[in-house]
Amino acid sequence: DVKVTQSSRYLVKRTGEKVFLECVQDMDHENMFWYRQDPGLGLRLIYFSYDVKMKEKGDIPEGYSVSREKKERFSLILESASTNQTSMYLCASSFPLTRDREQYFGPGTRLTVT
Amino acid sequence: SQQGEEDPQALSIQEGENATMNCSYKTSINNLQWYRQNSGRGLVHLILIRSNEREKHSGRLRVTLDTSKKSSSLLITASRAADTASYFCATDGGSARQLTFGSGTQLTVLP
Repeated sequence: DVKVTQSSRYLVKRTGEKVFLECVQDMDHENMFWYRQDPGLGLRLIYFSYDVKMKEKGDIPEGYSVSREKKERFSLILESASTNQTSMYLCASSFPLTRDREQYFGPGTRLTVT
Repeated sequence: SQQGEEDPQALSIQEGENATMNCSYKTSINNLQWYRQNSGRGLVHLILIRSNEREKHSGRLRVTLDTSKKSSSLLITASRAADTASYFCATDGGSARQLTFGSGTQLTVLP
């Protein structure tokens, strides 16, 4: 079974702190994604990566950056956390450009910025 | 941007009844997928239907796709309390590498 793990289930940070969210997958997937989920807004794509050191902006990249130094690991970085970044963050992975590309999700990190 | 839009936003039914959720989308797709999310957890893939398919079954799930109307429906038959969750549709447009998710339907199955 595909396993996607995220470094923390719950995280509380202060405004202005630098925050790292880590995601690891064990299925050798090329594609990895970071979403944030807010009530009434569904899932919004922040960034995705289709290969090591490759990244593309999603719908809401402002205030975030990412790093993919190894195929299995995709990190989301909040350079200076703000209260409007309080949210549920979901990581996912998938195979590349095959016809059917279901995504496998981690359990999520609920981040609170105070 | 959210391409898929689910309807209704919330649905409450009794155990044993059928639950139907709808999804509409705007652009052409390669496939459409349905995911389930239990409260506070990640999403789990349920079923995928390709653009050249009209109906697909998996256990108690039945998905239909009408590409002329750009819509899909998910039917859960003989619902159980354990089916209580949020259900999301997601469209795969093919040219981009990512899926586009809707805002979800919250299903509550009352015992």
